[in-house]
Amino acid sequence: GAVVSQHPSRVICKSGTSVKIECRSLDFQATTMFWYRQFPKQSLMLMATSNEGSKATYEQGVEKDKFLINHASLTLSTLTVTSAHPEDSSFYICSARQGTNYGYTFGSGTRLTVV
Amino acid sequence: ILNVEQSPQSLHVQEGDSTNFTCSFPSSNFYALHWYRWETAKSPEALFVMTLNGDEKKKGRISATLNTKEGYSYLYIKGSQPEDSATYLCAFRSDDYKLSFGAGTTVTVRA
Repeated sequence: GAVVSQHPSRVICKSGTSVKIECRSLDFQATTMFWYRQFPKQSLMLMATSNEGSKATYEQGVEKDKFLINHASLTLSTLTVTSAHPEDSSFYICSARQGTNYGYTFGSGTRLTVV
Repeated sequence: ILNVEQSPQSLHVQEGDSTNFTCSFPSSNFYALHWYRWETAKSPEALFVMTLNGDEKKKGRISATLNTKEGYSYLYIKGSQPEDSATYLCAFRSDDYKLSFGAGTTVTVRA
């Protein structure tokens, strides 16, 4: 079945640095990638939607200059948290959609801790 | 932000017992209701995609029903086993392909 590989699974970074999270679709072409964030005991919240070759569309309240999304190929999308601060510490997870009649395949998530 | 609610937040079940829990969602602009099973440190695994009012789907001992008019879905686990321990997520999909998730129901099956 469809697999999305997400790396790293855990990362600790210093405040002010940037962190890149990668999601790769291993056996299919992801036309659309969704990025979510989850705070403790809360639901997955959609941050942004990206289509291959286009600029990402961000949800209300999500800073596009802080959360840079690149979807340069049909198999790779990246989320870069720039100038990270402790309040950016969260669980980030991606989801890929293959096409209109296909479901959504998730990565396994990244736990980001900013110290 | 669409209001998708799951209850209860968590439940404990004795091995062999059956259980069920709910997902409520907006009854307007409905396109599909997704159920996922999510184990710690793994990717959420798709269980069901339900689109029609009155839909019933089954996968092994797990089944789900859908009522789009009143905006709820039930997930049932029959004869719970320890391997059923996981967080079960529901997600409402409108016609823009975006998923709005509930916070999940965490099921713990005690041997």
